[in-house]
Amino acid sequence: AQTVTQSQPEMSVQEAETVTLSCTYDTSESNYYLFWYKQPPSRQMILVIRQEAYKQQNATENRFSVNFQKAAKSFSLKISDSQLGDTAMYFCAFTPVNTDKLIFGTGTRLQVFP
Amino acid sequence: GAVVSQHPSRVICKSGTSVKIECRSLDFQATTMFWYRQFPKKSLMLMATSNEGSKATYEQGVEKDKFLINHASLTLSTLTVTSAHPEDSSFYICSASFGWRAFFGQGTRLTVV
Repeated sequence: AQTVTQSQPEMSVQEAETVTLSCTYDTSESNYYLFWYKQPPSRQMILVIRQEAYKQQNATENRFSVNFQKAAKSFSLKISDSQLGDTAMYFCAFTPVNTDKLIFGTGTRLQVFP
Repeated sequence: GAVVSQHPSRVICKSGTSVKIECRSLDFQATTMFWYRQFPKKSLMLMATSNEGSKATYEQGVEKDKFLINHASLTLSTLTVTSAHPEDSSFYICSASFGWRAFFGQGTRLTVV
């Protein structure tokens, strides 16, 4: 079975500081994609960042970067220079290459304080 | 960019009635769409894969007779919650993929009273 685990139900960070959200997953697939999605209070799902499993280089999108450890099946998200607008639920998600079906983790609620 | 529109955003219905939720890909064609259910402060649970022109594929534990899915065209999938009960109250989200990227609808909050 393919599973995604986020061990931090809630996190908080002060504005301008850096925070790391953890995610581990389990799969027997060799090729897949990993994602971080943000769900603000509006409930609209927003893609934050994507990582292709066959790429060793960690993905980066502006203030967001990942630490992808394939052997350990770990995929953490680092948010630098946190902003108040980063307050949201963050979901780690996985999909095998041959399907568009997303498997989501349980989510981490991030609160950014001024 | 690609847009997925979901309607209605909120609906309240009486127990025993049926409710239809629409999911449209506005500027691209989607042969496959997905329906998720999200309980309060919980994750998105995949309910089913909606396939254009064929039967939907349901995840284990999802009642296909209760949650009817119709993917009648390349831009529209509908989810009908039949004979709704209070325990069906939840947030329902659809998605459609354009290339590798999934685009999500705004979600529908269903309240069954």
